[in-house]
Formats: sequence, structure tokens, C-alpha cells
Amino acid sequence: AQSVTQLDSQVPVFEEAPVELRCNYSSSVSVYLFWYVQYPNQGLQLLLKYLSGSTLVKGINGFEAEFNKSQTSFHLRKPSVHISDTAEYFCAVPSKTDKLIFGTGTRLQVFP
Amino acid sequence: DVKVTQSSRYLVKRTGEKVFLECVQDMDHENMFWYRQDPGLGLRLIYFSYDVKMKEKGDIPEGYSVSREKKERFSLILESASTNQTSMYLCASSFTLPALHENPRYEQYFGPGTRLTVT
Repeated sequence: AQSVTQLDSQVPVFEEAPVELRCNYSSSVSVYLFWYVQYPNQGLQLLLKYLSGSTLVKGINGFEAEFNKSQTSFHLRKPSVHISDTAEYFCAVPSKTDKLIFGTGTRLQVFP
Repeated sequence: DVKVTQSSRYLVKRTGEKVFLECVQDMDHENMFWYRQDPGLGLRLIYFSYDVKMKEKGDIPEGYSVSREKKERFSLILESASTNQTSMYLCASSFTLPALHENPRYEQYFGPGTRLTVT
């Protein structure tokens, strides 16, 4: 069965530092991968997606993620974070029955 | 811009009450979803619908029902609210395109959420 593991429930980081949010998946079907972001008191919005092609995917707000098939990972990175990046980040993968399976989320807290 | 709206941001209900959560999307999306979000558990799918009058159970349908009488509206119903249904409820929608490489069902647009407290 498809599943997603986000290894870190919280990631504290200082402003302008780099950050990596980890995501590992298991999938027995064609791999599509997604990162969603949830800012405080808001719904989720799509940050970036991997469907095919280049393994390095660029998203909104300077985020990028790299699909690594051998390590079954899709880690999210940003070279320099801002206070406004404070949010919860969800990795997701489709199931065999066409639904999205979300990870448990990583709360990124950016400190000044 | 796609707009998914939910009828309330905050709701407080008593145990045993019947609760209606409404979701409306304005982009003519075929697919609509209801999730609940709890700390440490991520998002869990309650029900979804790929067409008007069609509904499918998600992973945690017990204690809930849904209604989709019109394409733009998807309602979540708690028949008899209980305290373990206190949660954040998120509605989402997505569209279907005849694309070759993408399955747009996966690209979901979310509403702002309804935080329901059952006392």
C-alpha cells in the first residue's frame, strides 16, 4: 500500500538559514509526489509537485524538492528561510484508488 | 483563482446535535473531498465525491454522511455529534482534464477549514 513518512514533526530554524524537510514514500504504482503548505489559520495550498521528468522540482516561495527513486525520498529544501515560511508542510502521494495520502506533517518554525 | 469556501470558520455544538458543514467551490470542479485534521495524525479522508449525487467512503466515514445535490456544493453531516469529532474539518476540490501526463485529481484546492468543537 502507498504510504508517506515525514520523519520530523517539528523543525525549528533561524531566519536566513537553510532548511530541509524530509519525506519518504512507499509506492507500488507510478510515482507522483506533492508538497502542500498550510499557513496558520488557513487551508492547504500546493507548494510543488513531481509528475515526471526532471527530478528537481521548483515550487512557490523559493522552495524546491528532489525526487530520489533509489532512496524513495522527496525532501523539500529552501536555501534561506524567512519568518513568513513558518507553517505546516505536508508531503502526499496518490493511492491506488485515486485519492491523496498525506503524511503527518512537519511544523516549520522560523525564528528571528 | 479557485475559491473553496466553508460555511463557518469556528463552530461549537453540543453532544448529540446534528451538524452540517457546507463547502462550496466556484471553479466547476468535478471532485470534492472532506478531510479531518488532527495533531500528529495529518489529514484523514472522510468522504469524497467524483460527481453530483455520487459519494464514496474514505478512510474514516463512521459517524459521518455527505450530500452532493449540486456540483459546486458538498456537505458533511454529523448525524449525532460526539466529543471525539472535535477537530479541524477541511474541504477540497479538484478537476479532471484530458491531460496526458497529469492526473489532476491529485491537485486539490482547499478551503480555510472549520474548527468544530463538540462539548
